[in-house]
Amino acid sequence: AAGVIQSPRHLIKEKRETATLKCYPIPRHDTVYWYQQGPGQDPQFLISFYEKMQSDKGSIPDRFSAQQFSDYHSELNMSSLELGDSALYFCASSFRRAYEQYFGPGTRLTVT
Amino acid sequence: KNEVEQSPQNLTAQEGEFITINCSYSVGISALHWLQQHPGGGIVSLFMLSSGKKKHGRLIATINIQEKHSSLHITASHPRDSAVYICAVRGGSQGNLIFGKGTKLSVKP
Repeated sequence: AAGVIQSPRHLIKEKRETATLKCYPIPRHDTVYWYQQGPGQDPQFLISFYEKMQSDKGSIPDRFSAQQFSDYHSELNMSSLELGDSALYFCASSFRRAYEQYFGPGTRLTVT
Repeated sequence: KNEVEQSPQNLTAQEGEFITINCSYSVGISALHWLQQHPGGGIVSLFMLSSGKKKHGRLIATINIQEKHSSLHITASHPRDSAVYICAVRGGSQGNLIFGKGTKLSVKP
């Protein structure tokens, strides 16, 4: 069965650079969630989209933005990167917000 | 106080032992998830519960909504079960998850 796809899997950036992370949900899933997991930390919710509209917002910095496109894939745009942004970024998808979330493999971002 | 508390934080077991990981939460929820995370990062959803009990192979998850408590049991544990097990809750109409800090399980042969 198709799973959630994230790209790239690994990304190395320097401070103050920008990064774009992509998430391709499971076919027919209309809801996408982004989570950030810092080293040794539990995942924290960043933002979610339902039917291409922002659904809920968590602890997402103002330097970050995200959107969900017409094909339901989502992109997380990160600007003015800081060392503290180094983390594993997970995307999860579900069919509607009430159903089980399926996680992608994550993008490991390292900011140097 | 965290909204989702797990215990124990670390657990070492011998192969074949019965394992229990506990999760307590302080918020109203619409569902509770048990997740597994292996070294290297990938997260796998094991169960989503809103009431009662679910079983999948050697894994059993239970939830008591009145007591705001859930348990994950692993029967006949195996070294390949070694991972971090995370309890996460979904509150109300919002779909996003609130995560516990995880239980690091190590099963020795």
